[in-house]
Formats: sequence, C-alpha cells, structure tokens
Amino acid sequence: QVQLKQWGAGLLKPSETLSLTCAVYSGSFSGYRWSWIRQPPGKGLEWIGEINYGGRTNYNPFLKSRLIISVDTSKNQFSLSLRSVTAADTAVYFCARDVDGDYVFDFWGQGTLVIVSS
Amino acid sequence: SSELTQDPALSVALGQTVRITCQGDSLRHYFASWYQQKPGQAPVLVISGNNKRPSGIPDRFSGSTSRNPASLTITGAQAEDEADYFCNSRDSGGNFVVFGGGTKVTVL
Repeated sequence: QVQLKQWGAGLLKPSETLSLTCAVYSGSFSGYRWSWIRQPPGKGLEWIGEINYGGRTNYNPFLKSRLIISVDTSKNQFSLSLRSVTAADTAVYFCARDVDGDYVFDFWGQGTLVIVSS
Repeated sequence: SSELTQDPALSVALGQTVRITCQGDSLRHYFASWYQQKPGQAPVLVISGNNKRPSGIPDRFSGSTSRNPASLTITGAQAEDEADYFCNSRDSGGNFVVFGGGTKVTVL
C-alpha cells in the first residue's frame, strides 16, 4: 500500500517561506506525478502545483510567482516552497499522487496545518 | 474562484439515495473525479474519471455517464457516508486542476 508522509513547519510569520516535504513509501515513485493541494480552514480544496520524476513542474498560475516544487529522486521525496506567505496562506496542506496523469488523486498525505500569524 | 460548481449542502434519509452534482465548462471535455472528506481527514478518492470505483469503495457509490453536469450518486446512504464531497477536473484550458467548492452531505 502506497503511503505519503509529509512534514514541515506549522507556524510562520508573514513574509516567511513555507517549506514542506512529502515522502513516498511502498510504491513506484518514477511513474507518477506528485501534487500539493491545500485547504483553508472550513473551505474547499485548492491545487497548488505538481512535479514529475524528471523534475518537470506545473504550477497554479495564481501561486506561480511565489512557488517552487522540487523532487529528490534518491529519497522518493518531493517538496514545496512558498515564499512571502500571508494570512491567506493559512491552510492544511496535502501532498497527493496523480494516479493516471489526468489529475485523479488516489493517495494523499495526512495533511499539515500551516498557520501564518504575526 | 472555482470553475466547478457544486450545491453547498444536501441531506438524505438513511437508506435513501442522494445525487451530488458538479457543473462547469471544462466538463464538456474532461471527466470529473470525486472525493469524500470527513472532518480532520485527508480526502479519499471514491470515483475516478469515467466512473471507475477504486478498490475498497462500496458499490453504493457510482458516477454518472453525463459529463456536464457530472454527478456522484450514493444509493442506500449509510451513516458513515456523512461527509464533504468534492469534484475535480481540469480547468477549461486543460492545463491545471480545479476543484468544486464541495457539498456537505448530511445523513438523517
């Protein structure tokens, strides 16, 4: 069974950089695309961006200017970096696997609550 | 703002049927997938594009053959089906991911 486990800082001040990492266990890493998705408290899901094994990325255009998603194939991990955060970036952040390259997410990380507050 | 539109809330009597819809221009070209999310948990895929049900998902969950609106039907709703349900697909340009705003389903 594929498992995604994620970690990173949960409390940030405005203007700081959000950094999260997601590790993939018990499954192929190379054959899939890997996404970050977030959910503000009490609200819906928002796709942040994705990366594939070769490091090719695709970003949400609304976040693109602040966003870097990277991959470490030696560790089966991928990471999210979102700079210059504001209170609007407060959310639960999830990593997820795109099972078929058509944005169908079949395995998810446990979620990380990130709060941006001064 | 979401390019996919869902009803904010629906209720269903225990054992009855509820249909959750997802509407958007991109669905004319792309399939929708459906996720169930319970409080404090990550979403779970219940129906993928072209109405495929992942292993372990009860067969009371089914998707529609119609693309726009797409729909998720729960036939014989159980208490454990009370949750938020989200649809997703590509955006109109086909390049990015969009999610519906979610439908909160209450089982009475």
